[in-house]
Amino acid sequence: GAVVSQHPSWVICKSGTSVKIECRSLDFQATTMFWYRQFPKQSLMLMATSNEGSKATYEQGVEKDKFLINHASLTLSTLTVTSAHPEDSSFYICSARTSGPNTGELFFGEGSRLTVL
Amino acid sequence: AQSVAQPEDQVNVAEGNPLTVKCTYSVSGNPYLFWYVQYPNRGLQFLLKYITGDNLVKGSYGFEAEFNKSQTSFHLKKPSALVSDSALYFCAVRDISGGYNKLIFGAGTRLAVHP
Repeated sequence: GAVVSQHPSWVICKSGTSVKIECRSLDFQATTMFWYRQFPKQSLMLMATSNEGSKATYEQGVEKDKFLINHASLTLSTLTVTSAHPEDSSFYICSARTSGPNTGELFFGEGSRLTVL
Repeated sequence: AQSVAQPEDQVNVAEGNPLTVKCTYSVSGNPYLFWYVQYPNRGLQFLLKYITGDNLVKGSYGFEAEFNKSQTSFHLKKPSALVSDSALYFCAVRDISGGYNKLIFGAGTRLAVHP
């Protein structure tokens, strides 16, 4: 299947700093990528839909200014957690869909675990 | 809004026995349903999907799922469980509201297969 790569896998940062997480589709182009957040032992919550060349679409309750999303190219989307606080500590997962029918499955990155001290 | 429910937080089964992980859905229109598996500290891996056609869908690693319209269910099954099947399983439904083709996930069910 298609490969989605996330970097970094683990990141620890101090409260108040910003952290950038990258999501790359390695062998396909993705005009749309999705960012999810997962708390321990909980489901994935969709944060936003990242669109190449345009602004991201955020889900209700997700702070746009806190979670900055940039879809710079057809193979790269970034999530920046600005002024991170301990409550932002979570597992962040990106996903992308290959081109073609919209009935296709999503391919997921391996996730990025953020710990804010 | 589209949604799926996974009524069981955890399912325990002995190795070699059949397993079932339950999922029910609530959708407007035709349901597009998916199952994913997640191993610790990893992303999700696609198992199978139902779009249309046969109600019994076969997927990866010997898993299958049965789409039941009258019961609005899409239970995941495997005839003989392996210890290596122990993981977190998510049922998901496609949601196209807002113009984007996104997935909405259930709460997840932890499968524990005992030797």
